[in-house]
Amino acid sequence: DTAVSQTPKYLVTQMGNDKSIKCEQNLGHDTMYWYKQDSKKFLKIMFSYNNKELIINETVPNRFSPKSPDKAHLNLHINSLELGDSAVYFCASSQGDSRYYEQYFGPGTRLTVT
Amino acid sequence: DQQVKQNSPSLSVQEGRISILNCDYTNSMFDYFLWYKKYPAEGPTFLISISSIKDKNEDGRFTVFLNKSAKHLSLHIVPSQPGDSAVYFCAAKAGGGNKLTFGTGTQLKVEL
Repeated sequence: DTAVSQTPKYLVTQMGNDKSIKCEQNLGHDTMYWYKQDSKKFLKIMFSYNNKELIINETVPNRFSPKSPDKAHLNLHINSLELGDSAVYFCASSQGDSRYYEQYFGPGTRLTVT
Repeated sequence: DQQVKQNSPSLSVQEGRISILNCDYTNSMFDYFLWYKKYPAEGPTFLISISSIKDKNEDGRFTVFLNKSAKHLSLHIVPSQPGDSAVYFCAAKAGGGNKLTFGTGTQLKVEL
């Protein structure tokens, strides 16, 4: 009965490949996010969608493309993977209501690019 | 430029004593602050939050204090328990929107 789930949990791939990470939330939230946690453990937002509309787009290479087929799903597609993309990627969701700022995180996807 | 800083990468406390985790910020536009706890191989879980209109918020063993003039917040855990051993992140939000800026985390170890 996981609130925010991500697949896969681990992903090992070679440079130059294209890969996708999927995220689903069953909390009924309107807003979803992708974060990247790098080797220095710094957790930084990449994208945010509200009701399938992109609302936050940080300085992220164009090789990263989020897609939200509906408000319960937010997928992350990465083209032409590079060594520096190795990190843990977290999906999160929140109500999108201005009274509630708490975000709920998935378990993370550890991406290793070799 | 890191707007939210947790200058202590680690903290060790004995069971039953108080744990105090600190966080400093530089952006005066931050108006809402949150603490998250993270266990290995899991995502961060929300712990407690505080609005900038308050200086204290308490939830069970957890209390967050906010000192706006010093741009400083702290999380107090009392009494500390071994299960509290985790990485603690503070996060902050500025104005409208939902973007959170996170600190780098403090590894808390509660020893028996």
